[in-house]
Amino acid sequence: EDQVTQSPEALRLQEGESSSLNCSYTVSGLRGLFWYRQDPGKGPEFLFTLYSAGEEKEKERLKATLTKKESFLHITAPKPEDSATYLCAALTNSNSGYALNFGKGTSLLVTP
Amino acid sequence: KAGVTQTPRYLIKTRGQQVTLSCSPISGHRSVSWYQQTPGQGLQFLFEYFSETQRNKGNFPGRFSGRQFSNSRSEMNVSTLELGDSALYLCASSPPGAVETQYFGPGTRLLVL
Repeated sequence: EDQVTQSPEALRLQEGESSSLNCSYTVSGLRGLFWYRQDPGKGPEFLFTLYSAGEEKEKERLKATLTKKESFLHITAPKPEDSATYLCAALTNSNSGYALNFGKGTSLLVTP
Repeated sequence: KAGVTQTPRYLIKTRGQQVTLSCSPISGHRSVSWYQQTPGQGLQFLFEYFSETQRNKGNFPGRFSGRQFSNSRSEMNVSTLELGDSALYLCASSPPGAVETQYFGPGTRLLVL
């Protein structure tokens, strides 16, 4: 069974304290790995798509990387406005076309 | 460009009732997907519609159904509501040829009492 696991469940950082969020996946036939940001009371906001091991993508203080078993979301010198829940999702082939399996997310709190 | 809109934003129902949720995708997007989000299970895929046809389906009971109209707007229906159906229901639309890039709406928060 395809599985996507995110760790840690919650993370508290001080402003400027860099860290990484982990997304490990056990799926057959990965087509893509996605990262989303979700603020309270809102829908997820698309951040990155990674398609192959070794690929990296950056956006402001965020950098996403992908290996054959996991993806990392590195946050460099975070600010309080980076506080949110970060979700990853694995896109795979399925009998009905495709399947998008989400992890349960990492809740990030950045304090001043 | 306007984003994905969902109505209503909040809803309270009682067990046994049915509910219909609405989603208007981003202009030009023909694919609409529905998800259920709960603290325990996270985001789970319900189904996807493309050009008025259900193209993909998750593992939810038949009480959950949907449809899409010719203008790409979509509705989701849940019949015979159960307490466990309380969740945030999210709709997402995708641009042509990029089903993996999903733009989510704000969601409808459903509480079943």
